[in-house]
Amino acid sequence: AVQLVESGGGLVQPKESLKISCAASGFTFSNAAMYWVRQAPGKGLEWVARIRTKPNNYATYYADSVKGRFTISRDDSKSMVYLQMDNLKTEDTAMYYCTAMGDWGQGVMVTVSS
Amino acid sequence: DIQMTQSPSFLSASVGDRVTINCKASQNINKYLNWYQQKLGEAPKRLIYNTNNLQTGIPSRFSGSGSGTDYTLTISSLQPEDFATYFCLQHNSLYTFGAGTKLELK
Repeated sequence: AVQLVESGGGLVQPKESLKISCAASGFTFSNAAMYWVRQAPGKGLEWVARIRTKPNNYATYYADSVKGRFTISRDDSKSMVYLQMDNLKTEDTAMYYCTAMGDWGQGVMVTVSS
Repeated sequence: DIQMTQSPSFLSASVGDRVTINCKASQNINKYLNWYQQKLGEAPKRLIYNTNNLQTGIPSRFSGSGSGTDYTLTISSLQPEDFATYFCLQHNSLYTFGAGTKLELK
Protein backbone atom coordinates (compact mmCIF):
# COMPACT_ATOMS: atom_id res chain seq x y z
CA ALA A 1 0.00 0.00 0.00
CA VAL A 2 1.10 3.55 -0.68
CA GLN A 3 2.40 5.36 2.38
CA LEU A 4 3.47 8.97 2.73
CA VAL A 5 4.79 9.96 6.13
CA GLU A 6 5.64 13.57 6.90
CA SER A 7 7.98 14.71 9.65
CA GLY A 8 9.86 17.72 10.92
CA GLY A 9 7.07 20.10 11.80
CA GLY A 10 6.99 22.29 14.87
CA LEU A 11 6.85 25.77 16.33
CA VAL A 12 9.17 28.43 14.93
CA GLN A 13 9.40 32.18 15.15
CA PRO A 14 8.76 34.54 12.24
CA LYS A 15 11.72 34.87 9.84
CA GLU A 16 13.14 31.52 10.96
CA SER A 17 13.60 28.45 8.78
CA LEU A 18 12.28 24.89 8.94
CA LYS A 19 12.68 21.83 6.73
CA ILE A 20 9.95 19.24 6.57
CA SER A 21 10.32 15.79 5.06
CA CYS A 22 8.15 13.11 3.55
CA ALA A 23 9.05 9.43 3.32
CA ALA A 24 7.31 7.55 0.52
CA SER A 25 6.78 3.84 0.03
CA GLY A 26 4.54 1.42 -1.82
CA PHE A 27 4.99 2.88 -5.29
CA THR A 28 7.73 3.73 -7.79
CA PHE A 29 8.70 7.02 -6.23
CA SER A 30 11.12 8.04 -8.96
CA ASN A 31 8.29 7.98 -11.52
CA ALA A 32 5.98 10.27 -9.57
CA ALA A 33 5.70 14.05 -9.44
CA MET A 34 5.39 15.07 -5.81
CA TYR A 35 3.60 17.97 -4.20
CA TRP A 36 3.19 19.85 -0.96
CA VAL A 37 -0.27 21.17 -0.10
CA ARG A 38 -1.13 23.10 3.06
CA GLN A 39 -4.22 23.85 5.07
CA ALA A 40 -4.36 26.67 7.59
CA PRO A 41 -6.45 25.91 10.68
CA GLY A 42 -10.14 25.89 9.77
CA LYS A 43 -9.40 26.87 6.17
CA GLY A 44 -9.29 25.28 2.74
CA LEU A 45 -6.49 23.62 0.83
CA GLU A 46 -3.67 25.54 -0.85
CA TRP A 47 -1.18 24.02 -3.28
CA VAL A 48 2.36 25.03 -2.27
CA ALA A 49 4.94 23.33 -4.49
CA ARG A 50 5.53 20.63 -7.08
CA ILE A 51 8.62 18.75 -8.20
CA ARG A 52 8.73 16.66 -11.34
CA THR A 53 10.79 13.57 -12.09
CA LYS A 54 14.35 13.09 -13.34
CA PRO A 55 13.32 12.82 -17.05
CA ASN A 56 11.70 16.24 -16.53
CA ASN A 57 14.88 17.62 -14.97
CA TYR A 58 13.33 17.74 -11.52
CA ALA A 59 11.53 20.94 -12.56
CA THR A 60 9.96 22.80 -9.65
CA TYR A 61 6.92 25.05 -9.38
CA TYR A 62 5.68 27.21 -6.52
CA ALA A 63 2.61 29.11 -5.43
CA ASP A 64 3.13 32.86 -5.55
CA SER A 65 2.64 33.02 -1.78
CA VAL A 66 5.83 31.01 -1.14
CA LYS A 67 7.94 31.71 -4.22
CA GLY A 68 11.45 32.79 -3.25
CA ARG A 69 11.05 31.53 0.33
CA PHE A 70 10.31 27.80 -0.04
CA THR A 71 12.32 25.15 -1.88
CA ILE A 72 11.04 21.69 -2.76
CA SER A 73 13.56 18.91 -3.40
CA ARG A 74 13.64 15.14 -3.63
CA ASP A 75 16.03 12.25 -3.15
CA ASP A 76 14.94 9.35 -5.33
CA SER A 77 17.53 7.04 -3.76
CA LYS A 78 15.77 7.45 -0.42
CA SER A 79 12.20 7.97 -1.71
CA MET A 80 12.08 11.26 0.13
CA VAL A 81 10.69 14.67 -0.69
CA TYR A 82 11.51 17.80 1.27
CA LEU A 83 10.26 21.33 1.74
CA GLN A 84 12.79 23.90 2.94
CA MET A 85 10.92 26.88 4.32
CA ASP A 86 12.84 30.10 4.88
CA ASN A 87 11.79 33.52 6.14
CA LEU A 88 8.64 32.01 7.61
CA LYS A 89 5.62 34.21 8.22
CA THR A 90 2.72 33.81 10.61
CA GLU A 91 0.48 33.18 7.60
CA ASP A 92 2.51 30.05 6.80
CA THR A 93 0.99 28.39 9.87
CA ALA A 94 -0.75 25.30 8.53
CA MET A 95 -0.89 21.55 8.27
CA TYR A 96 1.45 20.57 5.45
CA TYR A 97 0.55 17.51 3.41
CA CYS A 98 2.86 15.54 1.14
CA THR A 99 0.94 14.14 -1.79
CA ALA A 100 1.17 12.61 -5.22
CA MET A 101 -2.34 14.07 -5.67
CA GLY A 102 -3.89 10.60 -5.53
CA ASP A 103 -2.42 9.54 -2.20
CA TRP A 104 -1.82 11.83 0.75
CA GLY A 105 0.16 11.70 3.96
CA GLN A 106 -1.44 12.52 7.29
CA GLY A 107 0.26 15.87 7.41
CA VAL A 108 2.69 17.71 9.65
CA MET A 109 1.84 20.87 11.57
CA VAL A 110 3.96 23.99 11.16
CA THR A 111 3.25 26.86 13.52
CA VAL A 112 4.91 30.24 13.03
CA SER A 113 4.47 32.45 16.04
CA SER A 114 6.48 34.77 18.26
CA ASP B 1 -3.99 32.35 -12.46
CA ILE B 2 -7.08 30.17 -12.65
CA GLN B 3 -9.72 30.81 -9.99
CA MET B 4 -12.15 28.12 -8.86
CA THR B 5 -15.59 29.06 -7.55
CA GLN B 6 -17.17 26.20 -5.62
CA SER B 7 -20.84 26.12 -4.62
CA PRO B 8 -22.59 25.78 -2.34
CA SER B 9 -20.33 26.45 0.64
CA PHE B 10 -22.70 24.54 2.93
CA LEU B 11 -25.22 21.87 2.12
CA SER B 12 -27.70 20.21 4.46
CA ALA B 13 -29.07 16.87 3.31
CA SER B 14 -30.50 13.60 4.55
CA VAL B 15 -29.39 10.02 4.15
CA GLY B 16 -30.62 8.78 0.78
CA ASP B 17 -30.68 12.23 -0.84
CA ARG B 18 -29.07 12.98 -4.19
CA VAL B 19 -26.72 15.94 -3.95
CA THR B 20 -24.65 17.94 -6.37
CA ILE B 21 -21.67 20.18 -5.78
CA ASN B 22 -20.39 22.55 -8.42
CA CYS B 23 -17.08 24.10 -9.39
CA LYS B 24 -16.69 26.84 -11.94
CA ALA B 25 -13.27 27.73 -13.33
CA SER B 26 -12.30 31.20 -14.48
CA GLN B 27 -11.18 29.70 -17.79
CA ASN B 28 -11.32 26.41 -19.67
CA ILE B 29 -9.51 23.71 -17.67
CA ASN B 30 -9.87 20.94 -20.25
CA LYS B 31 -11.43 18.47 -17.81
CA TYR B 32 -8.36 18.54 -15.54
CA LEU B 33 -10.55 18.55 -12.46
CA ASN B 34 -10.33 16.31 -9.39
CA TRP B 35 -12.69 15.95 -6.44
CA TYR B 36 -11.59 15.25 -2.87
CA GLN B 37 -13.37 14.35 0.34
CA GLN B 38 -11.99 15.42 3.69
CA LYS B 39 -13.27 14.37 7.10
CA LEU B 40 -12.42 16.28 10.27
CA GLY B 41 -8.85 15.64 11.36
CA GLU B 42 -8.02 13.53 8.32
CA ALA B 43 -6.09 14.02 5.10
CA PRO B 44 -8.06 14.59 1.90
CA LYS B 45 -9.06 11.55 -0.14
CA ARG B 46 -9.32 11.67 -3.91
CA LEU B 47 -12.73 10.54 -5.18
CA ILE B 48 -12.66 11.50 -8.84
CA TYR B 49 -9.85 12.44 -11.22
CA ASN B 50 -9.97 14.18 -14.57
CA THR B 51 -13.66 15.04 -14.27
CA ASN B 52 -15.27 11.62 -14.34
CA ASN B 53 -12.81 8.87 -13.45
CA LEU B 54 -13.64 7.12 -10.20
CA GLN B 55 -10.67 6.47 -7.91
CA THR B 56 -10.16 2.80 -7.12
CA GLY B 57 -12.13 1.79 -4.06
CA ILE B 58 -14.55 4.70 -4.16
CA PRO B 59 -18.23 3.70 -4.22
CA SER B 60 -20.11 4.13 -7.49
CA ARG B 61 -22.63 6.50 -5.88
CA PHE B 62 -19.98 9.17 -6.48
CA SER B 63 -19.74 10.52 -10.02
CA GLY B 64 -18.35 13.53 -11.79
CA SER B 65 -19.19 15.40 -14.93
CA GLY B 66 -18.45 18.60 -16.75
CA SER B 67 -16.37 20.29 -19.38
CA GLY B 68 -14.90 23.66 -20.20
CA THR B 69 -15.35 25.78 -17.08
CA ASP B 70 -18.21 23.96 -15.30
CA TYR B 71 -17.91 20.75 -13.28
CA THR B 72 -20.16 18.78 -10.95
CA LEU B 73 -19.76 16.13 -8.29
CA THR B 74 -22.88 14.06 -7.71
CA ILE B 75 -23.59 11.71 -4.83
CA SER B 76 -26.55 9.64 -5.93
CA SER B 77 -27.75 8.40 -2.54
CA LEU B 78 -26.10 9.87 0.54
CA GLN B 79 -24.77 7.45 3.12
CA PRO B 80 -23.92 8.35 6.73
CA GLU B 81 -20.18 8.21 6.01
CA ASP B 82 -20.50 10.81 3.22
CA PHE B 83 -21.02 13.76 5.55
CA ALA B 84 -17.73 15.59 5.12
CA THR B 85 -16.16 18.52 3.28
CA TYR B 86 -15.59 18.28 -0.46
CA PHE B 87 -13.02 20.17 -2.54
CA CYS B 88 -12.42 20.46 -6.24
CA LEU B 89 -8.93 20.92 -7.71
CA GLN B 90 -8.01 22.16 -11.16
CA HIS B 91 -4.67 20.93 -12.48
CA ASN B 92 -4.78 22.28 -16.00
CA SER B 93 -2.54 25.24 -15.17
CA LEU B 94 -0.66 24.85 -11.91
CA TYR B 95 -3.13 23.98 -9.17
CA THR B 96 -6.10 25.69 -7.59
CA PHE B 97 -8.51 24.24 -5.05
CA GLY B 98 -12.08 25.29 -4.63
CA ALA B 99 -12.99 26.75 -1.24
CA GLY B 100 -14.89 23.64 -0.19
CA THR B 101 -18.43 22.45 0.44
CA LYS B 102 -19.36 21.26 3.92
CA LEU B 103 -22.02 18.59 3.64
CA GLU B 104 -24.01 18.32 6.84
CA LEU B 105 -26.77 16.08 8.09
CA LYS B 106 -30.15 17.80 7.98
